[in-house]
Amino acid sequence: DQQVKQNSPSLSVQEGRISILNCDYTNSMFDYFLWYKKYPAEGPTFLISISSIKDKNEDGRFTVFLNKSAKHLSLHIVPSQPGDSAVYFCAASGHYTGANSKLTFGKGITLSVRP
Amino acid sequence: GAVVSQHPSRVICKSGTSVKIECRSLDFQATTMFWYRQFPKQSLMLMATSNEGSKATYEQGVEKDKFLINHASLTLSTLTVTSAHPEDSSFYICSALSGTGAEKLFFGSGTQLSVL
Repeated sequence: DQQVKQNSPSLSVQEGRISILNCDYTNSMFDYFLWYKKYPAEGPTFLISISSIKDKNEDGRFTVFLNKSAKHLSLHIVPSQPGDSAVYFCAASGHYTGANSKLTFGKGITLSVRP
Repeated sequence: GAVVSQHPSRVICKSGTSVKIECRSLDFQATTMFWYRQFPKQSLMLMATSNEGSKATYEQGVEKDKFLINHASLTLSTLTVTSAHPEDSSFYICSALSGTGAEKLFFGSGTQLSVL
């Protein structure tokens, strides 16, 4: 049972445009959400997160939106740059504390930014 | 960010052999490390939580006798796939907590295991 779903396996956008990566979840116990970025032959690296008490978190070119009622979150990258080309994983946790940072991951979305 | 080193990056072995994968936190101490497995076109699935000095906690459906985890020091956790079979072929990746909160979770680069 896939509790975190990234239904689009890939996305291609033009440099300078906005990239919107979507993620849906089914478990209402999730209260913390993260996005990770992964380059080939490297481990995922943390990008941005959002707590369920917020509906938006922004960090530079990256913004994550959370719609709790729809159990949906999205990552917006604007403007997109070729260096953003990578696999992006959505992850969710039912606990924020470090004692139990067990994450449930989606399958990932491969983003390609065309120069 | 903190660095987590995972070795080997790729291993090919014969069916029935055991394979050990190491996960090291290079510049921080990690009392908690996690081991994940990813099959092609699937998500990263948590296998077990490794706690320094105590037994690992395995997720449902993961055989503890097949996937042995040892976390004997604050900087090293190992995963041993015992008597590996072709169905164990997968991408294994570890992560280590450098502090409080999921943002303090750092990942190794993963190990691609192929069992012939």
